[in-house]
Amino acid sequence: DAGVTQSPTHLIKTRGQQVTLRCSPKSGHDTVSWYQQALGQGPQFIFQYYEEEERQRGNFPDRFSGHQFPNYSSELNVNALLLGDSALYLCASSFSLRLAGGVETQYFGPGTRLLVL
Amino acid sequence: GQNIDQPTEMTATEGAIVQINCTYQTSGFNGLFWYQQHAGEAPTFLSYNVLDGLEEKGRFSSFLSRSKGYSYLLLKELQMKDSASYLCAVPASGGSYIPTFGRGTSLIVHP
Repeated sequence: DAGVTQSPTHLIKTRGQQVTLRCSPKSGHDTVSWYQQALGQGPQFIFQYYEEEERQRGNFPDRFSGHQFPNYSSELNVNALLLGDSALYLCASSFSLRLAGGVETQYFGPGTRLLVL
Repeated sequence: GQNIDQPTEMTATEGAIVQINCTYQTSGFNGLFWYQQHAGEAPTFLSYNVLDGLEEKGRFSSFLSRSKGYSYLLLKELQMKDSASYLCAVPASGGSYIPTFGRGTSLIVHP
């Protein structure tokens, strides 16, 4: 049973560039959430995708956008990169319990470490 | 909003017991998660508590007191591989359920 996978594992970009990160959810999961984790901090929620739509969004600027595909995989795009965007980007998948009104346990991928120079 | 507080760092000796505390403030309670995160790796799920009391899973146990806004993770028979960051997370209320994470407690286990 494949877990959550992410690509690439590491990435180096310069200020002003754009980046796309990819995530495949755990088998059987239909919901993907993206988090940004700075060094020494806990993960900060960026947004969540379900049924190919953005379902929730955290306090991140519009430079951060995403997409979910019919096979539930997802992309995170960041435009006009800033030095402060350097972080570990984590993808987490879960099975939506929205209709049941329940809390979903999220399972994390290995992350993509982005360095902006 | 939600507020989560954990100690930044703890040290312990191999074979010992350590308790990592987490206090939280939330407008509506939907349970509390504990995750383990080794340096440079993804967080891995340890436990989810929604009712008061202690839940044991092998060497790891998690305790919750909703009235006190308090939880702890208890690690017994510490091993070197337990050196990691331990993250406390509380799902949002109002139907969102998106977890807010604390900064994590870095546990260092030494021989």
